[in-house]
Amino acid sequence: AQSVTQLDSQVPVFEEAPVELRCNYSSSVSVYLFWYVQYPNQGLQLLLKYLSGSTLVKGINGFEAEFNKSQTSFHLRKPSVHISDTAEYFCAVSRTLNDMRFGAGTRLTVKP
Amino acid sequence: DTGVSQDPRHKITKRGQNVTFRCDPISEHNRLYWYRQTLGQGPEFLTYFQNEAQLEKSRLLSDRFSAERPKGSFSTLEIQRTEQGDSAMYLCASSHRTSGYNEQFFGPGTRLTVL
Repeated sequence: AQSVTQLDSQVPVFEEAPVELRCNYSSSVSVYLFWYVQYPNQGLQLLLKYLSGSTLVKGINGFEAEFNKSQTSFHLRKPSVHISDTAEYFCAVSRTLNDMRFGAGTRLTVKP
Repeated sequence: DTGVSQDPRHKITKRGQNVTFRCDPISEHNRLYWYRQTLGQGPEFLTYFQNEAQLEKSRLLSDRFSAERPKGSFSTLEIQRTEQGDSAMYLCASSHRTSGYNEQFFGPGTRLTVL
């Protein structure tokens, strides 16, 4: 079965600084990879997804992620964060698109 | 398009009581998913439906849990004889064939507290 490890439970960063949220997965077969964001009192919202093709995936709100098969990683990056990016971020892996497995989440806090 | 809605948003119950949650997916989304999210963790898959057929159930879905989607539109999740360990956020999501089912749209969740 596939699983996801988010290496940092909390990431504090100053506004306009770059940020990287780390995600590693394990699976014996090819998988699909996702990043979701959860703002307080709201449902999860898809940031970006890797299904196939180019390993660099661009998403909404200026986020991007790179699929690295040899490192089994799918780290999320943003070159310059805003206060409004403060939220919980979840990495997820799926083999069939119906059985998503989420990581424990990374709380990103952007400070002024 | 009003998004996925869930009702109620909050439920407090006593141990041993039964509870039922409702999820209304986005119109014409034929796949519907249920997840459970406990504090400090990511969502855990419980089950999913394609139209009215329940196609997969997680081992997490004990026999006290039952989910239905009788007409292929809204779904209900019932927990019988609730236990304190059932306290969690219950999330519903839906997806559509035209996107290849590769994006799930989530509702705001129902927070269950079992006293």
